[in-house]
Amino acid sequence: EAGVVQSPRYKIIEKKQPVAFWCNPISGHNTLYWYLQNLGQGPELLIRYENEEAVDDSQLPKDRFSAERLKGVDSTLKIQPAELGDSAVYLCASSSDTNTEAFFGQGTRLTVV
Amino acid sequence: DAKTTQPPSMDCAEGRAANLPCNHSTISGNEYVYWYRQIHSQGPQYIIHGLKNNETNEMASLIITEDRKSSTLILPHATLRDTAVYYCIVRVQAAGNKLTFGGGTRVLVKP
Repeated sequence: EAGVVQSPRYKIIEKKQPVAFWCNPISGHNTLYWYLQNLGQGPELLIRYENEEAVDDSQLPKDRFSAERLKGVDSTLKIQPAELGDSAVYLCASSSDTNTEAFFGQGTRLTVV
Repeated sequence: DAKTTQPPSMDCAEGRAANLPCNHSTISGNEYVYWYRQIHSQGPQYIIHGLKNNETNEMASLIITEDRKSSTLILPHATLRDTAVYYCIVRVQAAGNKLTFGGGTRVLVKP
């Protein structure tokens, strides 16, 4: 069974440019998460979806970040415009319901120059 | 969710057991203890979780003290591939599956 798939694996953009990350969760997993991980720190939750509904987006900087999960499967996380401080690894995870362990993708490493 | 305290780093010898401590003195009765690890350039990987009783799976064993204020993750025979950052997380089931990561313990397995 395929795990959580994220793309791209690496992305380098200039500041003020837009960027988007894509996540395909494990088949059948209703819950999807986006985490942000800065260098040397643990991941921090940005947003959690239950099917297509965002149930926890309190940590998402809504002035520049947006996310969507159309049809309750794949998800896209967007930053517009990107800032230097957005350089980090963006991780996607999924779980089969709200009470089981989460499975993570390999992440997208974003570098803003 | 309760906070956890872990040593920032530790070394262990290849082939020996690695015992990773975690303090969670403010844990509530409905909070589970989860362990994840993150190998360099990969996403976090689930290892094990428990509520009260000790747990064992193919990867590790989890020992939770009777008062539940601390726990130990045991890697029975550490290999070089176990070099990673290990995160101890306590989580309320009712909060959904939100995982709040701390700094973790950076484990270096040496030959």
